This record gives sequence, C-alpha cells and structure tokens, in this order.
Amino acid sequence: QQQVKQSPQSLIVQKGGISIINCAYENTAFDYFPWYQQFPGKGPALLIAIRPDVSEKKEGRFTISFNKSAKQFSLHIMDSQPGDSATYFCAAFPPGAGTASKLTFGTGTRLQVTL
Amino acid sequence: SAVISQKPSRDICQRGTSLTIQCQVDSQVTMMFWYRQQPGQSLTLIATANQGSEATYESGFVIDKFPISRPNLTFSTLTVSNMSPEDSSIYLCSVARLAGAYEQYFGPGTRLTVT
Repeated sequence: QQQVKQSPQSLIVQKGGISIINCAYENTAFDYFPWYQQFPGKGPALLIAIRPDVSEKKEGRFTISFNKSAKQFSLHIMDSQPGDSATYFCAAFPPGAGTASKLTFGTGTRLQVTL
Repeated sequence: SAVISQKPSRDICQRGTSLTIQCQVDSQVTMMFWYRQQPGQSLTLIATANQGSEATYESGFVIDKFPISRPNLTFSTLTVSNMSPEDSSIYLCSVARLAGAYEQYFGPGTRLTVT
C-alpha cells in the first residue's frame, strides 16, 4: 500500500520558472515531511522539511506548502535553474522512536530545467 | 549532517556470487538503514542495521539473501547473496543520529549490476 502519492512523474520547466511537485499522504499519524533531491549517480540529499504545525517553510528558492486538512504538501522551486535538474522525492515520517519510525517515500519526480 | 561513504561505488558481478557493501560514517549514529533503489524507481527499505543484534528486515527481504552486520556505531555491511540479474540496483546506506530522529542522511550508493 503506497502511503505517499507523488506527482507529476516528470516535469520540464524553463529556466527562471517555478517548479511545483505535489504529494498526498494517507496516514494522519505522519508528522514530518522531508523532501530529498537526488542527482544521477548520487545518494538522495535532504533538501527541506516541514512539520504539520506550520503551513509553509521557505529556504532560499525552495518552499514547502503544507495543507493538513487536505493531507497534501508540495515543493515549489522558484527561479528554477538548470542545476536544479534532478529527481525529487517527498517522504513522510511517523512519530515514535526506534525501528518503528521509518521514512515512507513518494515515487519521485524527475525535473528538467531547460535554458 | 553526517558524512557517509560506501564501498564499492559500483560493481559488476556474475550471477550466483555474493557482494559485500560497506558503509562508513564519520561519527557515531544510532540508526543505520539499508535501502534498495531500482533504476528509475523510488527507495525501498531493506532493513535496519542494529548494533550488537540481528538486523530488522522489511517484508520481502530475508537475512539469508541480505545478511547485515553492524559491529559498531559507525560501520555496517550489507551482503547481497547468490545474486541474480533482478538484484541489479543501487544499494544505499542511510543513517539517523538518534532513534526516532527525523533527519535521515544517505550515502552515495553502490551501483550493482549482475550479469
């Protein structure tokens, strides 16, 4: 059972445009929502994350918008650059400690920023 | 964050053989995980590597196929045993400093091709 649905599967954006990637979750127990960025041949890197007690978090050109009632969250990349071309994964994390607390990943979005 | 290295970075192996992948972290961490990422796919958790005890495997993964060791708080190994072409994937080590810690960091991955 996929608990985090991510869309679109791929995205092409012109340089300077806004890239938007959406995720929806089912488990209301999730309480931490990170985004990972993965370049070809590299491991995923933690990009930005949000807790459900805020509706928005911004770090530089990257913003997470969070809608708790709709169980949705999205990543916005402002002024997209060719260097942002990568695969982006959303994820969700339930509360608790130990091995029961495991990240659930979305299916990934391949972003290409063109000149 | 944590600096994570993996060895080897890539390998081509014959079916029926085994490969051991090493994961080294630059500082002590409580939690270490092993993931598999098939080409163009999302990340799937194989197991949690527990120091001093047997690893905790996810559904669909068994110890005989993926034996894991974790002798201390900075090192773990994953062995892919009796390999078949279906095992061709990227294998990723991941760490979290504390049990239940939200931030999880990934190594660069080991790209395995089984012929």
